[in-house]
Amino acid sequence: DTAVSQTPKYLVTQMGNDKSIKCEQNLGHDTMYWYKQDSKKFLKIMFSYNNKELIINETVPNRFSPKSPDKAHLNLHINSLELGDSAVYFCASSHPRESSPLHFGNGTRLTVT
Amino acid sequence: SQKIEQNSEALNIQEGKTATLTCNYTNYSPAYLQWYRQDPGRGPVFLLLIRENEKEKRKERLKVTFDTTLKQSLFHITASQPADSATYLCALDEYNQGGKLIFGQGTELSVKP
Repeated sequence: DTAVSQTPKYLVTQMGNDKSIKCEQNLGHDTMYWYKQDSKKFLKIMFSYNNKELIINETVPNRFSPKSPDKAHLNLHINSLELGDSAVYFCASSHPRESSPLHFGNGTRLTVT
Repeated sequence: SQKIEQNSEALNIQEGKTATLTCNYTNYSPAYLQWYRQDPGRGPVFLLLIRENEKEKRKERLKVTFDTTLKQSLFHITASQPADSATYLCALDEYNQGGKLIFGQGTELSVKP
C-alpha cells in the first residue's frame, strides 16, 4: 500500500486554467505538507497543515489554496496558472513532533504551457 | 540570509569506494539534521537523523557526522554500489519545533561499476 499518494502524476495545462492536485496518506500522521521542487531541484515548503489546521503558509501567491477535508487528505488548488508554476509538487506527511521525518509522495509534475 | 549548501556538482565515484557528501549551513542553530535520498521521478526518502549532541550516527553502510562548530554535516556511504546512485538531500528544521524542514539543493551521486 502506498503511504502517501498524490494524483495526478503528470499535469499539463494551459496558462490561465485552474487545476487541483490531490494527496492522501494512510500513515495516521497529523501533519501534512506541500513542497515545490523547481528545475534546480530546490525543495521549498509551501504549506503545512496539522490536523486540518493551517500551520505554515509561506510566501505563496494567493492563487494557491490548500484544502484539508480531513487529516488524511490535503489537496492543492491552483487558480489562473502561470508559466512559472511549472514544477514538481510534492505532498508529505509526518507526526507533528519535532524531528519527525517526512514521508513524501512521488510528486506531481505540473507543466504550464 | 539563511542558507543550506550542498556540493552543487555531481559526485562520480567507483564502486567499492566511500562517497562523502557535504552539507553546510549558515545562520541556523539546528537541533538536528536529516538526510534524504531522492531517485529520479520519486519523492525524497528519509535515511538518517542526527542530533546536535551526537557527533556521529551510523546505519548499515551509511554514516553521518554533525559538527555544530563548523556548521557542517558529512554523509558517507562506504563500499558504495551502483544502486546508491541518487540525489542526496540534507534538511534542517528552521525553528527546531517541527513542521518546517528547509532542504539543501542536493548532491547527485553516481557510482560506476
